[in-house]
Amino acid sequence: QKEVEQDPGPLSVPEGAIVSLNCTYSNSAFQYFMWYRQYSRKGPELLMYTYSSGNKEDGRFTAQVDKSSKYISLFIRDSQPSDSATYLCAMSGGTSYGKLTFGQGTILTVHP
Amino acid sequence: SAVISQKPSRDICQRGTSLTIQCQVDSQVTMMFWYRQQPGQSLTLIATANQGSEATYESGFVIDKFPISRPNLTFSTLTVSNMSPEDSSIYLCSVERSTVGTEAFFGQGTRLTVV
Repeated sequence: QKEVEQDPGPLSVPEGAIVSLNCTYSNSAFQYFMWYRQYSRKGPELLMYTYSSGNKEDGRFTAQVDKSSKYISLFIRDSQPSDSATYLCAMSGGTSYGKLTFGQGTILTVHP
Repeated sequence: SAVISQKPSRDICQRGTSLTIQCQVDSQVTMMFWYRQQPGQSLTLIATANQGSEATYESGFVIDKFPISRPNLTFSTLTVSNMSPEDSSIYLCSVERSTVGTEAFFGQGTRLTVV
């Protein structure tokens, strides 16, 4: 079993839709939860991170962490064609000095 | 943030040869990381490179296959040695500004195809 599981999709939605991206994990030592966006032929770009359980909002993006269920989500409101990319969840235990464990990535397409 | 430049951006190599990938950062950083991203797969950490010490390799990766240099606080190289088609992948350099993984920045990657 992989430490982090993420549905690879692909996911295709119309412009303006609410998008929900999810990851599950098995390692209870994870404390920091990140979401990255990766455009084609580019490196991953950090969107936001959350520490422990709870919600965090940044503009159209909301990250949720439920440590009891070992489940994290990223919601994108009012999705735009420019949001079309691969979204990767990543996790850190906080004691390994920056070592990240990534999900497989979900390919998202927002069509006009 | 950090600006990370990787060279080359892509290459096609013959099996049995070696390729050295360069990673240049616009500021001094303690930790640099090398990842591999195989087609349709997640990013997998190859090794962690500290300046002035030997790189630390993850399970499944060895120094003979992926030698790493870290001569100063802004530069690192990863060599993919004795390449086979299975080494075809994207190789990414990353730097980390925090101690817990919440401020990681990536280069644009090197797309390697081995024929």
